Amino acid sequence: GAVVSQHPSWVICKSGTSVKIECRSLDFQATTMFWYRQFPKQSLMLMATSNEGSKATYEQGVEKDKFLINHASLTLSTLTVTSAHPEDSSFYICSARDLVASGRQETQYFGPGTRLLVL
Amino acid sequence: ILNVEQSPQSLHVQEGDSTNFTCSFPSSNFYALHWYRWETAKSPEALFVMTLNGDEKKKGRISATLNTKEGYSYLYIKGSQPEDSATYLCALWSNTGKLIFGQGTTLQVKP
Repeated sequence: GAVVSQHPSWVICKSGTSVKIECRSLDFQATTMFWYRQFPKQSLMLMATSNEGSKATYEQGVEKDKFLINHASLTLSTLTVTSAHPEDSSFYICSARDLVASGRQETQYFGPGTRLLVL
Repeated sequence: ILNVEQSPQSLHVQEGDSTNFTCSFPSSNFYALHWYRWETAKSPEALFVMTLNGDEKKKGRISATLNTKEGYSYLYIKGSQPEDSATYLCALWSNTGKLIFGQGTTLQVKP
C-alpha cells in the first residue's frame, strides 16, 4: 500500500525557535497533501491543504505566517512552525492523496505524525 | 460547522467478543465516509471508503454499514483479538472537499 513518512516523529524546542516537519509520499506522487493538528482528546483538525507548485490553502483560524507550508515537489511537503510558543505544542500529522486517484472514493494516506513540545 | 460524532469514546472487551461502534454525521452534507484504524505510534490505516446508502463493506473480521439518509455508519468487529486494539476514526468527506474527523473510538481487547 501507499506509504507516507513524516520526520521528525518527536521534537522538543525552546519558545521562539522554528521547527520544520517533513512529509513525504514514498511510493506514489501526490499533488495534494494535507496538514492536520490534534490537541489532546480532540479530533484531527485540518490546518491547511498543500498543492504542489502553488500556495497552500489555510483553514479559518490558522495563521499562514505562523505555519509556513511548502510543497515543492510531488513527493514532499513541509510545515514550518515559526517562532513556536507553548500553545503550539500539539500533534501534527500529514496526509497525501495519490496523483492518479480522483473522486470521492479516493483514500488519503497518512504519515505517523510529529509530536511537538515547545518549552 | 459540520460535526462528526463517534461513540463510545472508548471500549474494553474480552478477546473473542464481538463489538461495534457508531459514527454519526450530518446527512445533508454527505459525499463519502472514511473509516481508519490507528494504532499507537503508527500511521492511520484506511479501512473503508463508503459512498452509497445501504453499503456494506468487509475486510476480514471487520465490516461497516452506511445509512446516508439518517446519517450514521456502524463498524463491527467479529471475535475481537488483542491486535484489534487501536483507535478507530471515521471521517466525513463532505461537499467542501475535505475530511472532517470524529474524535475516534479507542478499543482495548484484553487477552
